[in-house]
Amino acid sequence: EAGVTQFPSHSVIEKGQTVTLRCDPISGHDNLYWYRRVMGKEIKFLLHFVKESKQDESGMPNNRFLAERTGGTYSTLKVQPAELEDSGVYFCASSQDRRGYTFGSGTRLTVV
Amino acid sequence: QQQVKQSPQSLIVQKGGISIINCAYENTAFDYFPWYQQFPGKGPALLIAIRPDVSEKKEGRFTISFNKSAKQFSLHIMDSQPGDSATYFCAASMQSSNTGKLIFGQGTTLQVKP
Repeated sequence: EAGVTQFPSHSVIEKGQTVTLRCDPISGHDNLYWYRRVMGKEIKFLLHFVKESKQDESGMPNNRFLAERTGGTYSTLKVQPAELEDSGVYFCASSQDRRGYTFGSGTRLTVV
Repeated sequence: QQQVKQSPQSLIVQKGGISIINCAYENTAFDYFPWYQQFPGKGPALLIAIRPDVSEKKEGRFTISFNKSAKQFSLHIMDSQPGDSATYFCAASMQSSNTGKLIFGQGTTLQVKP
């Protein structure tokens, strides 16, 4: 089966700009997660979708981050406006049963 | 209380040696403890996982040891190979919750020298 696909793989933007990250989960996986790893630190949970509904968004840093999951398929994570501290690697993962996560390769975001 | 502490931050092991990575947690409600392996440019991939009702789980050269009373668990890589060089993350979650989100440790960069 196809894995979790994320794009872009890299993005370099200026502070104040907007960036949208996209995640295509494994087909049929109702659960979709976003995580972020800031340089050298732990991977941190951002939010969890079940189908198109946000189940838990307790990890979203602030209201500059907006996540959507259209029709329970792909998901987007928009950062607007981007700040320097938003730099990091953003991972998307999907699962059928909230246990066997499959992660995408991540989007490396650099805000300059 | 939601933290998972992982050590060491980096580890260098000779080929054929044993690599040991340790993790500790505080929240006794955690009931699922996976280890992830990440190669450069790739996402974390599930390596092995354990539940707290088991003290040890082995899959090939990889073993998780779990100490419930000490709230610690560790990954042992036997006969370490250069191909094992990667970043390893321990994690914990509450499968009984409505989200199953993972709380990760800080990661350990393992280098296995030929």
